[in-house]
Amino acid sequence: GAVVSQHPSWVICKSGTSVKIECRSLDFQATTMFWYRQFPKQSLMLMATSNEGSKATYEQGVEKDKFLINHASLTLSTLTVTSAHPEDSSFYICSARELGAKNIQYFGAGTRLSVL
Amino acid sequence: DQQVKQNSPSLSVQEGRISILNCDYTNSMFDYFLWYKKYPAEGPTFLISISSIKDKNEDGRFTVFLNKSAKHLSLHIVPSQPGDSAVYFCAASGLTGANNLFFGTGTRLTVIP
Repeated sequence: GAVVSQHPSWVICKSGTSVKIECRSLDFQATTMFWYRQFPKQSLMLMATSNEGSKATYEQGVEKDKFLINHASLTLSTLTVTSAHPEDSSFYICSARELGAKNIQYFGAGTRLSVL
Repeated sequence: DQQVKQNSPSLSVQEGRISILNCDYTNSMFDYFLWYKKYPAEGPTFLISISSIKDKNEDGRFTVFLNKSAKHLSLHIVPSQPGDSAVYFCAASGLTGANNLFFGTGTRLTVIP
């Protein structure tokens, strides 16, 4: 159980375009989903926390207009990187926390974004 | 400010021996700790957790030890297997209320056959 699916796993796009990444909890309901970014050889950096039906809470330094997060249902959250630039190239990972469960986050497989 | 630290970026262990991965934290408000395993280009996989009311939690080959006074936790893997080769992250948070997990920088474990 506790499977989180993230799609796509790898995307290449041109500078200036927008990219949407989906995160789904497949076998549980997730009241809270999280979006992380990982730079090479560094730890996971929390970008934002999203609760179903409400606006996401962004960490300091993360541009909310650039990284649009939608959490429309208990099983789906999306991250849209708007007007992507090469510096946005990174590994993006989502996680989900099960309703009523301990603070264990289950992670998706991640999305490698390359902006040309 | 890195509240969770893994000071060893890498560790090599012979197959069958014990692997010990260490983690230190600075925030005394943390009361829940987790270990994740991560392969390249994949998301972290939850391994084992421990709450601050315990000092040891065991699950098969994996045991996590918590020393609250030293603000230190460790993950023991015994016996180590080649398939255990991965990057291991420790994470800390509040057990209830606080959502955020604070991650360490990871330790790359290599188990040599």
